[in-house]
Amino acid sequence: EPEVTQTPSHQVTQMGQEVILRCVPISNHLYFYWYRQILGQKVEFLVSFYNNEISEKSEIFDDQFSVERPDGSNFTLKIRSTKLEDSAMYFCASSGQLSGANVLTFGAGSRLTVL
Amino acid sequence: DAKTTQPNSMESNEEEPVHLPCNHSTISGTDYIHWYRQLPSQGPEYVIHGLTSNVNNRMASLAIAEDRKSSTLILHRATLRDAAVYYCILRDATRAGNMLTFGGGTRLMVKP
Repeated sequence: EPEVTQTPSHQVTQMGQEVILRCVPISNHLYFYWYRQILGQKVEFLVSFYNNEISEKSEIFDDQFSVERPDGSNFTLKIRSTKLEDSAMYFCASSGQLSGANVLTFGAGSRLTVL
Repeated sequence: DAKTTQPNSMESNEEEPVHLPCNHSTISGTDYIHWYRQLPSQGPEYVIHGLTSNVNNRMASLAIAEDRKSSTLILHRATLRDAAVYYCILRDATRAGNMLTFGGGTRLMVKP
């Protein structure tokens, strides 16, 4: 079964450092998403991406965050200057259609620990 | 997206059916009902979705009330592997952004 892969599985970084989380969505999918989940809390939407541009973003997705699809397969989330509160699991997801029946496939997540 | 209400937690015995309820009294005509689950230390996983009619797939069944103000996810025989947080989410078919909004979900515990 096709899957979304994420790297790294766990990254530890110092506050103020830049971090790039990488995702390889399912190959024929066109819509890409980043979510995060702080330990013990809800899964929160960050951003959605389609046709090489952001289609929606949440209040969490401020100027410290950016997304990019640098080539035909990768989808990245960059955090420019990490803060302690950025420590969370970050999930990438992709979907193949734009409709209410849209089904998202999530990756296993990248755990970010900011010290 | 319209709001859903789910119990915080439920318990089940292994090999028995489980009925997970969800209330969505403010559902609109264009809202699809989605269920996802999140196993421990994993990303959310799609379970099932429907609009008006009951749905069955290899993982579960979805029973939708006639007025669509509530739905029930049915796991026919719970296994230990089904212990997870189950999320009921409404998705507006007319909304351009296409993202899903997760609530607190129901934590299902399965006893051997």
